[in-house]
Amino acid sequence: GNSVTQMEGPVTLSEEAFLTINCTYTATGYPSLFWYVQYPGEGLQLLLKATKADDKGSNKGFEATYRKETTSFHLEKGSVQVSDSAVYFCALSNFGNEKLTFGTGTRLTIIP
Amino acid sequence: DSGVTQTPKHLITATGQRVTLRCSPRSGDLSVYWYQQSLDQGLQFLIQYYNGEERAKGNILERFSAQQFPDLHSELNLSSLELGDSALYFCASSVYIGEGNTGTQFFGPGTRLTVL
Repeated sequence: GNSVTQMEGPVTLSEEAFLTINCTYTATGYPSLFWYVQYPGEGLQLLLKATKADDKGSNKGFEATYRKETTSFHLEKGSVQVSDSAVYFCALSNFGNEKLTFGTGTRLTIIP
Repeated sequence: DSGVTQTPKHLITATGQRVTLRCSPRSGDLSVYWYQQSLDQGLQFLIQYYNGEERAKGNILERFSAQQFPDLHSELNLSSLELGDSALYFCASSVYIGEGNTGTQFFGPGTRLTVL
């Protein structure tokens, strides 16, 4: 079955630091990959997505590249802000079976 | 704002009781999904409906059931509640199922269920 493995948290960084949150997956076929973000007390928001190999999803300064050869979809941001503090979830879905399979989430805290 | 609405926002009830959670999808979305977020199990898919019909089932307990109505809103019914059912329940919707669907789902704000 499908599975997503995320970098263990929590992660604490200083403002303007470089961020990487690792995500690897196991899936049959060619899944679509997603990063969702959950701010304190809120629901999940789609941050970015990629639907095929070598696609790069980007939004709000965050980027992730769909790497089929390494089955990875690592999230990166060049300079984080305090407002980026949240829980980040990597997820995948398969064509024909649209349920999302989530990783465990990574709690990110940015300190000024 | 994702356009997906869920009510109530919070629900506190006792063990053995039954509750109903409601979800209204984004305008035009035919698919509705339910997820449970708990500390020990993380985010888990429960069930999916498409245009009124059950489409896929995940780790949904037999005590739980759902339906999607002709106006496309959905309800998740939880019965014989146990302490372990305390969790955040999310509804999500997507535009369609079919060729080329990339499965982008938009989530509601969730219903926090506390079972005492």
